[in-house]
This record gives sequence, structure tokens and C-alpha cells, in this order.
Amino acid sequence: AQKVTQAQTEISVVEKEDVTLDCVYETRDTTYYLFWYKQPPSGELVFLIRRNSFDEQNEISGRYSWNFQKSTSSFNFTITASQVVDSAVYFCALSGERGRRALTFGSGTRLQVQP
Amino acid sequence: GAVVSQHPSWVICKSGTSVKIECRSLDFQATTMFWYRQFPKQSLMLMATSNEGSKATYEQGVEKDKFLINHASLTLSTLTVTSAHPEDSSFYICSAPSSGRASSYNEQFFGPGTRLTVL
Repeated sequence: AQKVTQAQTEISVVEKEDVTLDCVYETRDTTYYLFWYKQPPSGELVFLIRRNSFDEQNEISGRYSWNFQKSTSSFNFTITASQVVDSAVYFCALSGERGRRALTFGSGTRLQVQP
Repeated sequence: GAVVSQHPSWVICKSGTSVKIECRSLDFQATTMFWYRQFPKQSLMLMATSNEGSKATYEQGVEKDKFLINHASLTLSTLTVTSAHPEDSSFYICSAPSSGRASSYNEQFFGPGTRLTVL
């Protein structure tokens, strides 16, 4: 069975601080996909990144960066110089190969960025 | 990217009534769609997999007689909450995976969600 753990329930930072959201996953699949989504108060999920299990390169997109480490089954997400607009709930998710493409979501981390 | 729509975006109904939620893929065909439920301040949980032309597959603990799913065409799946009760109040979100060549990348396209409140 697949499992995603986001141990941080809520994080509060002051604007311009860097913050890292942790994600640890479990799967028996050799090919799998990892995702991060942002969910603002409106509820609509905003796609941030998708990474397959064979691509362990870290990725940077503006103030966002992701650290994928297969050895520790982690896919952490860092926001540099946080802004108030970053306040939201962030979900890490996992899906298997073609036969099991539904996502398994972590419990989410609520990020509050104070001005 | 591809677009998935949901209708209605929110609905309030009386206890005991049935509510239908539509999920449409607007610019691609989706033989499979997923329905998730999210209770307040909780995560998204998969309820069922909707399959075009065949019966839906329900996750353990989800009552198939209460949550009726119909995947009538390659672009439309509907979720009907029958005899709704206050405990069914939740945020319902559908998604469709990419098809064709893009399916190898396992892209997922989510609808904007439907907020159901049962009084």
C-alpha cells in the first residue's frame, strides 16, 4: 500500500524567511510519481510539480525548490524568501504506475506567512 | 494544460435529498476519472474510480449505493449523493489523468471542486 507522511501540521513564518515542507513516502512500486499541490482557501488545487521516480535531480522554479532523495524516500519542498501569498495548505502526493494512477495524498501542511 | 470543470461549484441542500455533481474534461477524453472527498481541514481521500462504459470501483468504506457514479461519455462523469445527510457535507473534487502519449507522464488534471453543505 502507498503512504505519504507530512509530519508538519502547521508552520508559521515571518515574511522573507525560508521554509521547508517535509514529505516522506512509502511505496512498493519501482516506477512512481510524486507531486506537490498548493490549496489556497478557495479550495482549488494548484499543481506545483510532478517528479518520476527515475529523476532524482533537484529542481528549482523561482522561489520554489524541491529535493528528491530516493535513499530516504523523501521529497521536500522549500520556499525561499516566503511571501504572504504563499499562505496555503500544501499537499504532497504519490501515484503508482498506469494501473494505479489515483493519487495518495499526505495530510497536508498549513503554511502561514506573517507580514 | 488540459481543463477539468465541475458543476456546481457549491450546493446547499436539505437532508434526505439527492445531489448530482458533474465532472467534465473540456479538451481531452478521459476514460478514467477519480473522485475525492475532503472534509474540513483534512486531506483528500479517494472515494472511487469512474470508468467509462463500466462500473465504478469504490474504495473500502465508501457506500456505492449512496454515492452513485456514472461515466456516461468520454468527457463526463457524474457523482450523485443520494439521501444526503449532514455528515456528507464535504468538498468533492474530481480529477482525470492525461490520455494518449501524455499518459506516460501521469499528468493529473483536477477540477475546481464542489462544496456540498447538507442542512
